[in-house]
Amino acid sequence: AQSVTQPDIHITVSEGASLELRCNYSYGATPYLFWYVQSPGQGLQLLLKYFSGDTLVQGIKGFEAEFKRSQSSFNLRKPSVHWSDAAEYFCEREGSQGNLIFGKGTKLSVKP
Amino acid sequence: DAGVIQSPRHEVTEMGQEVTLRCKPISGHNSLFWYRQTMMRGLELLIYFNNNVPIDDSGMPEDRFSAKMPNASFSTLKIQPSEPRDSAVYFCASRPTNTGELFFGEGSRLTVL
Repeated sequence: AQSVTQPDIHITVSEGASLELRCNYSYGATPYLFWYVQSPGQGLQLLLKYFSGDTLVQGIKGFEAEFKRSQSSFNLRKPSVHWSDAAEYFCEREGSQGNLIFGKGTKLSVKP
Repeated sequence: DAGVIQSPRHEVTEMGQEVTLRCKPISGHNSLFWYRQTMMRGLELLIYFNNNVPIDDSGMPEDRFSAKMPNASFSTLKIQPSEPRDSAVYFCASRPTNTGELFFGEGSRLTVL
């Protein structure tokens, strides 16, 4: 079955440090991949998406993600985290039928 | 555009009561999704519509849940009768085509006592 795995439930980083959130998807044809962010009490907001082409995609708020087919991964990165980045992050893939599969999410805490 | 609009934002009700959650998608979007979010189960897809037609309702927990989309600008999610285990945040999301990114509303937080 198609699935999305975010292995880290909770990550804490210091402000100014770099960040990498992991996402792995189950094997299949190249999926459409997305990262969303959810601030407390809010809905999910799209950070970036990958459909095809350049495997390094840039998103909003200084985030980027790299699609690696060989590792079935789509990890989210940011070189320097800000306190306002504290939120929950969701990886999502879209299957060939248009069905949507979300990971369980990774909660990011930022230490001052 | 105003974005996806959900109402009510908060609902507190007693077990056994009927609950109706409402969603207005972004104008021009032809796909609409209902999700439920809890700490234990994360984000679960309940049902989605393309062009007002339900495509996949396999995530609807049981017969107590029903969803309708009478036109392109309005959808409801109804729970009758409600139970405490239905307490969650319910999100509506829409997208302009049958593929691509979702645009989420701010959610309806339901508490069933």
